[in-house]
Amino acid sequence: GESVGLHLPTLSVQEGDNSIINCAYSNSASDYFIWYKQESGKGPQFIIDIRSNMDKRQGQRVTVLLNKTVKHLSLQIAATQPGDSAVYFCAETWGSGGGADGLTFGKGTHLIIQP
Amino acid sequence: EAQVTQNPRYLITVTGKKLTVTCSQNMNHEYMSWYRQDPGLGLRQIYYSMNVEVTDKGDVPEGYKVSRKEKRNFPLILESPSPNQTSLYFCASSLFKPWTEQFFGPGTRLTVL
Repeated sequence: GESVGLHLPTLSVQEGDNSIINCAYSNSASDYFIWYKQESGKGPQFIIDIRSNMDKRQGQRVTVLLNKTVKHLSLQIAATQPGDSAVYFCAETWGSGGGADGLTFGKGTHLIIQP
Repeated sequence: EAQVTQNPRYLITVTGKKLTVTCSQNMNHEYMSWYRQDPGLGLRQIYYSMNVEVTDKGDVPEGYKVSRKEKRNFPLILESPSPNQTSLYFCASSLFKPWTEQFFGPGTRLTVL
């Protein structure tokens, strides 16, 4: 799979503000994009996914935006809470022969919530 | 309780001594996968399995083997571990494909001396 990257390694926001975490990807053929959250000492936890034929998807307090023109993905977290402190990873699927079975992760953004 | 379990959680070994890290899930998931996580490199997929007896290479398969003889188990085998395989390893499973919700195990911290 090709690399998936993130613009900022650390993002600090005030509690209650909205957070926006960005991700740039390079494989224009990726079918699915996923955001994961990893708290300290734990495995990654699925947050939300979006298919390549969509440009926006909303979940509970989170929104993912996909801009295929510039190969950019973002995760918006509304009203950030202390429990949102974690490292956030974007990931894209890849595969040969029309499949999308592999998964490539970005390097992660550490979200820090200021009281 | 639905979960992915890994054993051992911590392991210190020496170069060349074969080891196996077990992974088991109780959710009847078809897709299982192994990842390694290293500082500055994020998570990288080692191998994945679409179903029993179906496995394929991820981004960093060199030095690893896997098998999928039963749906619930997906062991990771290091035939001859080397220090560059020192890492934090995660097993994960999902119902079908990797874009459906993947459940991750607690991780195995491996040190190869």
